[in-house]
Amino acid sequence: AQSVTQLGSHVSVSEGALVLLRCNYSSSVPPYLFWYVQYPNQGLQLLLKYTTGATLVKGINGFEAEFKKSETSFHLTKPSAHMSDAAEYFCAVTKGSASKIIFGSGTRLSIRP
Amino acid sequence: EAEVAQSPRYKITEKSQAVAFWCDPISGHATLYWYRQILGQGPELLVQFQDESVVDDSQLPKDRFSAERLKGVDSTLKIQPAELGDSAMYLCASSLGGPGQGGETQYFGPGTRLLVL
Repeated sequence: AQSVTQLGSHVSVSEGALVLLRCNYSSSVPPYLFWYVQYPNQGLQLLLKYTTGATLVKGINGFEAEFKKSETSFHLTKPSAHMSDAAEYFCAVTKGSASKIIFGSGTRLSIRP
Repeated sequence: EAEVAQSPRYKITEKSQAVAFWCDPISGHATLYWYRQILGQGPELLVQFQDESVVDDSQLPKDRFSAERLKGVDSTLKIQPAELGDSAMYLCASSLGGPGQGGETQYFGPGTRLLVL
């Protein structure tokens, strides 16, 4: 069965610092991978996704993620954090052609002034 | 920009009462999903529709939860009777295609936050 593990339920960085949110997946077939962001009391918004092709994926708001098959990882990064990036971030995976998404437990990102 | 609509945004009810949530997906989206998100956790799929048909309801507590999408457009999720443990955010999402469309983006509504007292 596929699953997603997000390392660190809470990450705090200073404004302007590098953001790194970790995600590891397990899947018996090549996965599709997603990062979603959720602001308080709102739904989820897609940041970026990997389906096929280039393993470095660029998303909205300056975020990017790299699919590393050998490490079964899909970590999310942003070179310089902004206060507006404070939110909950979810890594997710689907298996092959199935559309059912399995979400990780989330990482809350806090930005220090 | 088209959005997924949900109502109500907030609902407070007493245990043993019935509650219902409504979702209107993005126009033209064939697939509709209902998720439950417990505070501090990721969303968990309750039921998935392809047009008016249920594709996956394996995680839906069928003794108290029901969902329908009669005309393949909007959908209603009902809980009867509500229990304390049902307090959560209920999210609706939609996507353009159907089963076999892995990797397709799901678009989420703002959710309904349910508090059962």
